[in-house]
Amino acid sequence: GAGVSQSPSNKVTEKGKDVELRCDPISGHTALYWYRQSLGQGLEFLIYFQGNSAPDKSGLPSDRFSAERTGGSVSTLTIQRTQQEDSAVYLCASSSQTGGYNEQFFGPGTRLTVL
Amino acid sequence: DQQVKQNSPSLSVQEGRISILNCDYTNSMFDYFLWYKKYPAEGPTFLISISSIKDKNEDGRFTVFLNKSAKHLSLHIVPSQPGDSAVYFCAASYFGNEKLTFGTGTRLTIIP
Repeated sequence: GAGVSQSPSNKVTEKGKDVELRCDPISGHTALYWYRQSLGQGLEFLIYFQGNSAPDKSGLPSDRFSAERTGGSVSTLTIQRTQQEDSAVYLCASSSQTGGYNEQFFGPGTRLTVL
Repeated sequence: DQQVKQNSPSLSVQEGRISILNCDYTNSMFDYFLWYKKYPAEGPTFLISISSIKDKNEDGRFTVFLNKSAKHLSLHIVPSQPGDSAVYFCAASYFGNEKLTFGTGTRLTIIP
């Protein structure tokens, strides 16, 4: 069965440009998460979707970051006016359970480099 | 504020011996803990979890121990195999909180 997929796998952009990162969760998983891992750091939570709504956006670092999910499936994370500190691996995860006691399945990530 | 800490960035263990990876947490609300394994250029893969009602959970070569009073958990891998070489992340959560809070990871190297 297909796991979580993300595209692109690598993205190099210039400072100030906008980027869109895509996540395809495991079919049937209602919960979707975005995390990012900066160099030498652990995974940092960004946003959580339950269906198409985002009850927890507390990890988004600034208003340059936004995300949406459509059809209870694909999600897009958009970073506007990228800065060098946005360089990181952006990871998406999905889960069939909610409530906090859930195993999250991760995609391979998108490595974003802002020059 | 680092709520989940993995104080050893790296660990080297001889093949066949026991690997012990440690994790400490500060938030007493955490009551569910997970270990993930990550290979380069791949996403983290779930390994094993434990809830706070238990102090031990075992799955094959992997055992997780939880000491709630010390706010400490550990992952034991025995016997260690070369394929176990990866970065291991400890993560924590609590009921009603959807996000996982991760430690910074420990790079485990198994020496043949």
